[in-house]
Amino acid sequence: QVQLVQSGAEVKKPGASVKVSCKASGYTFTGYYIHWVRQAPGQGLEWMAWISPNNDDTSYAQNFQGRVTVTRDTSISTAYMELRRLTSDDTAVYYCARVGYNHIDYWGQGTLVTVSS
Amino acid sequence: SYVLTQPPSVSVAPGQTASITCGGTNIGSKSVYWYQQRPGQAPMLVVYDDRERPSGIPERFSGSNSGITATLTISRVEAGDEADFYCQVWDSTGDRLVFGGGTKLTVL
Repeated sequence: QVQLVQSGAEVKKPGASVKVSCKASGYTFTGYYIHWVRQAPGQGLEWMAWISPNNDDTSYAQNFQGRVTVTRDTSISTAYMELRRLTSDDTAVYYCARVGYNHIDYWGQGTLVTVSS
Repeated sequence: SYVLTQPPSVSVAPGQTASITCGGTNIGSKSVYWYQQRPGQAPMLVVYDDRERPSGIPERFSGSNSGITATLTISRVEAGDEADFYCQVWDSTGDRLVFGGGTKLTVL
């Protein structure tokens, strides 16, 4: 069965960086785009970026341009999202998600990133 | 950039019908997807391509899309349907997913 398993919760200080991993299994990793979506406490879903595991193409939301980088390692079927220069506004649950035809068909379990001094 | 607008909340009595709207410019020309998110859980797809249901989703969930509004309709609402619902489209201009702000469904 398709699974996306994310790394564990993180606590970071303002100004630091965080890197979240997303290990895929149960399907051909290079066959589907991986997207990253975050959700601040009590707020809605916010799209951040996508990566094509097949050819390493990426796209980023304008809100995060220059602060976020998504990468992948096809040898271990894992995607990564790194967010830099963290502020308290970046406290959120970060999800990786597999996108089928223009929509998300599988989600990771989410990774809580807390930014606090 | 493309924007989707949802009402923040919808309330309905058990057994009644809930309608959750999602507005966007010419949204009828796009495919709309709906997700249900219960507290502490990841979202789950309940409707795709405007009106199709993934396997395992009850027939009580249905969708429509025309003009400037897409609608998720939940018939014979149950207490277990209480959750946040999000609409989503693909913005081909921006090459990105776009989500609505979410609607909290309360079952009275």
